[in-house]
Amino acid sequence: KAGVTQTPRYLIKTRGQQVTLSCSPISGHRSVSWYQQTPGQGLQFLFEYFSETQRNKGNFPGRFSGRQFSNSRSEMNVSTLELGDSALYLCASTRDNYAYNEQFFGPGTRLTVL
Amino acid sequence: AQTVTQSQPEMSVQEAETVTLSCTYDTSESDYYLFWYKQPPSRQMILVIRQEAYKQQNATENRFSVNFQKAAKSFSLKISDSQLGDAAMYFCAYRNNDMRFGAGTRLTVKP
Repeated sequence: KAGVTQTPRYLIKTRGQQVTLSCSPISGHRSVSWYQQTPGQGLQFLFEYFSETQRNKGNFPGRFSGRQFSNSRSEMNVSTLELGDSALYLCASTRDNYAYNEQFFGPGTRLTVL
Repeated sequence: AQTVTQSQPEMSVQEAETVTLSCTYDTSESDYYLFWYKQPPSRQMILVIRQEAYKQQNATENRFSVNFQKAAKSFSLKISDSQLGDAAMYFCAYRNNDMRFGAGTRLTVKP
């Protein structure tokens, strides 16, 4: 069974631009979570989607948004990029939204904002 | 707000020895879940072990075990018979609604 895939793997943008990252969960998984990983702030939860509905949202500004499609694939969008948005963005999928489920992580998208 | 603290930024262990990674958390909830995830260098994060807060028995997965002290809000990870492949960043995580991670502990295994 294929793992979680994220595209693109690397991205370079300039301040003020917007970016869209994609995550394809493991087949059969209906829940997708997004995290931001930086050396300074560590791993921070962005949001979680289950069956196309946002179930939880972390403490990030409105510039960060996401959505999930009927095939469970998810995208996150960051508008008006700032230098501080440079980070590794991780996506994780689980079979459903039961909190005890193991999360399967993707390799991440490395975003650099210049 | 729930916070997760890993007080050891780095740890080192000799191959075949035992090491314990510390984790404490702060919460007012009684029902929650705790996890240890491992992030090897340039590789994907994977689950090591997990614990449901209502279960008193400590979880064990082969060489990995936890010491869960609910009253003390402590959730340490013990790795027995350490192997070179155990070298990684280890993250403690708490989940009630969303997932909160600690800052991580970088484990080095010396041959």
